[in-house]
This record gives sequence, structure tokens and C-alpha cells, in this order.
Amino acid sequence: EAGVAQSPRYKIIEKRQSVAFWCNPISGHATLYWYQQILGQGPKLLIQFQNNGVVDDSQLPKDRFSAERLKGVDSTLKIQPAKLEDSAVYLCASSLASGGTGTQYFGPGTRLLVL
Amino acid sequence: AQKITQTQPGMFVQEKEAVTLDCTYDTSDPSYGLFWYKQPSSGEMIFLIYQGSYDQQNATEGRYSLNFQKARKSANLVISASQLGDSAMYFCAMRWAGSYQLTFGKGTKLSVIP
Repeated sequence: EAGVAQSPRYKIIEKRQSVAFWCNPISGHATLYWYQQILGQGPKLLIQFQNNGVVDDSQLPKDRFSAERLKGVDSTLKIQPAKLEDSAVYLCASSLASGGTGTQYFGPGTRLLVL
Repeated sequence: AQKITQTQPGMFVQEKEAVTLDCTYDTSDPSYGLFWYKQPSSGEMIFLIYQGSYDQQNATEGRYSLNFQKARKSANLVISASQLGDSAMYFCAMRWAGSYQLTFGKGTKLSVIP
């Protein structure tokens, strides 16, 4: 079974530029998460989708970050304009919508460096 | 609010020895789940083991076991027979009832010495 796919793996941009990340979850996983992991810290949830609806985006900086999940499968996370403090690893994860342990499975992440 | 504490920023262990990584948590919910993830330098978070708050037995998965002490609110990860490939960051995380969101600790960097 294929895991969570993310692209690109690495991205370097200058501040005030825009950037977008893509995620394809595990087949059949209705719930999708985007996390931001700053160096030396644990991941912090940015947004959670169930199918194509937003469950929680309370920690998403909505003035510059946006995310969508069209058709309840793939998702994109966008930053516009980027700031230096956005340098981090952006992790996408997916899980079954209900039942079981709710285990989240993560993709390889996108390392973003903002100069 | 839920909180996860990992007090060991770094740990060293000799190859083939066992090591315990500490994790304490704080929640007022009676129903919750505890997870351990491994993050190698490549960046991917790899799921290792899960313990539910109502599980009577400590969880085990191969060389990984979870020492769950509910009264002390601790969920330590035990890795037996350490291998060089175990060198990585290890994160403890908690999910509370009614939500699939995870709260992560700051992690422990494990280094296995040959």
C-alpha cells in the first residue's frame, strides 16, 4: 500500500515570495492534516480536513497561509507572502476518519527555507 | 489543555543494549491515546507504537514496548537490543477523546553507539 506522498521535498525561496506544497494521502483515508515543524520542536498542527471540509484551522495563520482539499483526496498548502520564520518542515499526514486508534501516517515532508 | 513532556533532549545507548525514552502527559480526559513516532534525519515521521488509555496491557511491537503507568501519567518507550538504525529523533504524542488531533512533545534525540 502506498504511503502519503508529498512534493516538493525541498524548496528555497526569498521572503515575500509565494510557495505551494502538495500532498496525496493514503488511499481511503478521509482525514488529512498539515503540520509545521520548526527545527528542534515537535510538529504543530496547522489544519485538519475531513473529506473536503475543514475540521480545525485554528492554528493556521490565515493572513498568509491557505489550504484546500478538492474532491476530498489531494491537498495543497500555500504560503503567500512567505516570511523568514516560515522556514520549517511541512508535514502532511492522513488517517481513517473514524474507528480504530486514529493513527496518523506521515509523508516525507517538505523542507522550506525562506531567505 | 493537553500537554506532553519529554525531558531528555538527547540520549546515548550502546548498540545491543536497551534504552528507555521518557514521556509524561497531562490531561483531564479519561479517554485518550498515546503514540510514539520515530523521525530519522530524512524527516519522515514513522509510527512505532500506540497505547489506549483503557488498554490493560502494555503495548508491544517487535523491539518496541510502551511502559504505561496511568496513575503517574507516563508512557515511556523502551527499545530493546538497540541497533545503529535506531539513531533518530523520537516523539511522544497524545490524542484525546473525540479528536484525532495529535499534540507532540519536543522529542528526544537518540544516538546509538557502536
